Amino acid sequence: GESVGLHLPTLSVQEGDNSIINCAYSNSASDYFIWYKQESGKGPQFIIDIRSNMDKRQGQRVTVLLNKTVKHLSLQIAATQPGDSAVYFCAENIGGTYKYIFGTGTRLKVLA
Amino acid sequence: DAGVTQSPTHLIKTRGQHVTLRCSPISGHKSVSWYQQVLGQGPQFIFQYYEKEERGRGNFPDRFSARQFPNYSSELNVNALLLGDSALYLCASSSDRGGGLNEKLFFGSGTQLSVL
Repeated sequence: GESVGLHLPTLSVQEGDNSIINCAYSNSASDYFIWYKQESGKGPQFIIDIRSNMDKRQGQRVTVLLNKTVKHLSLQIAATQPGDSAVYFCAENIGGTYKYIFGTGTRLKVLA
Repeated sequence: DAGVTQSPTHLIKTRGQHVTLRCSPISGHKSVSWYQQVLGQGPQFIFQYYEKEERGRGNFPDRFSARQFPNYSSELNVNALLLGDSALYLCASSSDRGGGLNEKLFFGSGTQLSVL
């Protein structure tokens, strides 16, 4: 299938290292955020979410940090594995709407 | 349980034609959203439907329309296709337990539309 994100920012990390993917969101009224992982030929896969009343949330090997002051979101992946190679998108939900706005995406490459 | 299913997976059309894309949500999910993903970009919101009613619409021309059926499946229709409509069309469903706001979206694998 076609590749997603041929000209996206790329983050290259060594297998086993931690990865940090950053996202600047656009709207101060956004109150819910999701990180998605998209592999080539597939739809976005839910990773983790966070509501605006929180500044940190942890999942299995992943942590999302939210800084509302500077409208910044980050995804931390611990002990990055080859299977983590994909394009990662942050998505914001503007309060009171049903619409999600997606960022431009970051390609994560895991080096063996 | 099956996830969100979309058909067809790939489609080739010529300019001026129309196309119908289909989506079946996760069992128990009542809300369906459609997104367009152009190569190299993030998905862009087209529509959201809940209980057969349009609940939100993105910045797309009237050539784009959709509907939702009593079984919560959905169709996206695009008329008078343009070259720029070539994209991956994604369907997502959500459970809507929270009234539809701040709901996790679960995506299908999409339909890759190529307009020649």
